[in-house]
Parts: sequence; C-alpha cells; structure tokens
Amino acid sequence: QSTLTQPRSVSGSPGQSITISCTGTSSDIGGSNYVSWYQHHPGKAPKLLIYDVTKRPSGVPDRFSGSKSGNTASLTISGLQAEDEADYYCWSFAHSWVFGGGTMLTVL
Amino acid sequence: EVQLVESGGGLVQPGGSLRLSCAASGFSFSTYVMTWVRQAPGKGLEWVSTVTDSGENTYYADSVMGRFTISRDNSRNTLYLQVNSLRAEDTAVYYCARQIITSRCFDSWGQGTLVTVSS
Repeated sequence: QSTLTQPRSVSGSPGQSITISCTGTSSDIGGSNYVSWYQHHPGKAPKLLIYDVTKRPSGVPDRFSGSKSGNTASLTISGLQAEDEADYYCWSFAHSWVFGGGTMLTVL
Repeated sequence: EVQLVESGGGLVQPGGSLRLSCAASGFSFSTYVMTWVRQAPGKGLEWVSTVTDSGENTYYADSVMGRFTISRDNSRNTLYLQVNSLRAEDTAVYYCARQIITSRCFDSWGQGTLVTVSS
C-alpha cells in the first residue's frame, strides 16, 4: 500500500495561520478528488474537517480550509486557537486506501 | 444524533481472538458503508477494513487480510470485526466509522475500543 507523507509536526502562535501538507502520488492524491482531513485529539473520536479536497462539513469553522496542487493536498488553519492543538490526518481514496502519517500541531 | 459505540476490546494473548462490535444509532445504518480504523500506541491512524451497506462486499488492509473478518447485522444496527491470530502489532485502539459513499470520507466516528495483545 502507498503512503501519504505529512510533516511530523508543525507549530504556530494563537492567531497565526499554519498549513499542513499531504504528499502522495498520481495514483492517490494526484488522481483523486476524494481527499479528506481529520482532527484527532488523543483519547477522543477523530473528527472530519474537510472532504472532497475543499468542502467543510456543517459545524466546522471556516478557519479550516483545504486545497490541492498536483500530488499534494494541504490543510490550512487560520486564526489558530489553543483548542486546535491536536493531530491531523489526511486520507485519500483512490487505488489505495490510506491515511497520511499524521501531523502534530502545537499551539505555542 | 449519530452515535457509534464500540465494545469487545480487551487483553488477549498472541494467537488469540476477539470479536469487536460497533453499535450504531441515530441514522439508517443499513444504507451506509462502514469501516474499521485503528491506532497503535504512538502511531497514526490505519485503515483496517470496510464493508458495503448490504454486507456483500468487504475490503481489508494487507496487514490484516486472512486474519480479520468484517461483517454487519443490519437488523441489529451493529458492525463487527472478528480478529483472529492476533499479534503484538495488532495492539491498538479500534474505531468504527461511518463512510459517506459519495465522498469516500468518514463523517462519524466512535470513541474506540482498546485491544492489547500480550502474553
């Protein structure tokens, strides 16, 4: 199975913006519009943030946005808040079904 | 309100078996694809297995193929994962998740059940 590469960690101060990348290949990210992002606070259920590359489920603040360019998808969080500190995962549904390795976001 | 509640986890010896359950409520269970995802200690999320709404088609990660079996009982609104021939590397929190077929994303998740494989 293929892997989706995410940075192990990112950090930012309250109010700042950060972007988490998710790099795959033309067989997954590059060839699919089925890219989604999940927020996971340890010990809790993961939460869907973004689906179909750019769409937000109802209830997810518009501070969270998604995009894609070539074989890389990105999650941007603007106006960082303390409660955004969590692990973030991308998911691609294409020839392989795989999560990214996860990125730990620290809010300084 | 959509609810997914996993159960059945526990401590099991290597080579042992368990049956995990996921009780669903608050939605029409029989019309949704369902999936199991796990997270080993200190690791990321790993897709494990998916079953279609009717239960007719099942899909597995290479790491569990031949050892795990996903199934569902739509009359009981319950998803199952039979885990056999357990290995230490199967130690993880197992989550069930509802999958949106049009977007292939997981829009609702349970809180998870912990499986620990150890002698």
